[in-house]
Amino acid sequence: EDQVTQSPEALRLQEGESSSLNCSYTVSGLRGLFWYRQDPGKGPEFLFTLYSAGEEKEKERLKATLTKKESFLHITAPKPEDSATYLCAVQAPGGGSQGNLIFGKGTKLSVKP
Amino acid sequence: KAGVTQTPRYLIKTRGQQVTLSCSPISGHRSVSWYQQTPGQGLQFLFEYFSETQRNKGNFPGRFSGRQFSNSRSEMNVSTLELGDSALYLCASSLEGSEQYFGPGTRLTVT
Repeated sequence: EDQVTQSPEALRLQEGESSSLNCSYTVSGLRGLFWYRQDPGKGPEFLFTLYSAGEEKEKERLKATLTKKESFLHITAPKPEDSATYLCAVQAPGGGSQGNLIFGKGTKLSVKP
Repeated sequence: KAGVTQTPRYLIKTRGQQVTLSCSPISGHRSVSWYQQTPGQGLQFLFEYFSETQRNKGNFPGRFSGRQFSNSRSEMNVSTLELGDSALYLCASSLEGSEQYFGPGTRLTVT
């Protein structure tokens, strides 16, 4: 069964303390892996799309990387405003679109000043 | 550019009733997907519409249905509501072959 597993479930960091979030996936023929950020009471906000092993993308303090079995979201020198739930998703196989995503349950990140 | 909008934002219904939720995609986006988000199951795919046609469907009972109009606006309907249908319902739109952008969601509470 196609599955996306994120770890840890929750992560508490001090401001400036860098760390990484993990997303492992078991889907045949990966056609896209997505990272989203979700703040309480809001819809997920798109961050990155990765397509092939070795690919990396960066945005401000965030950097996403992809291997054949997992993806990492590295957070460098986080600030309190980076506190949110980070969601990982993969495009479901079979369909021809990116409109059908399989999501992990997320990592809730808290950054304390 | 306006984002994805969803109405209503909050809804309280009684078990056995039905409900219709609405989604207006980003201008120019023809693909609209619906997801259910609960604390226990996370985000789960309901269905996707493209040019008024259902393109994909998730593993939900037939009580969940949807449609898309010629202007790409979409509605989803849940009939015979159950307590377990209480959730945040999220709509997302995208250009073909591109990433999805989510709306703020509709919080449905079934009592």
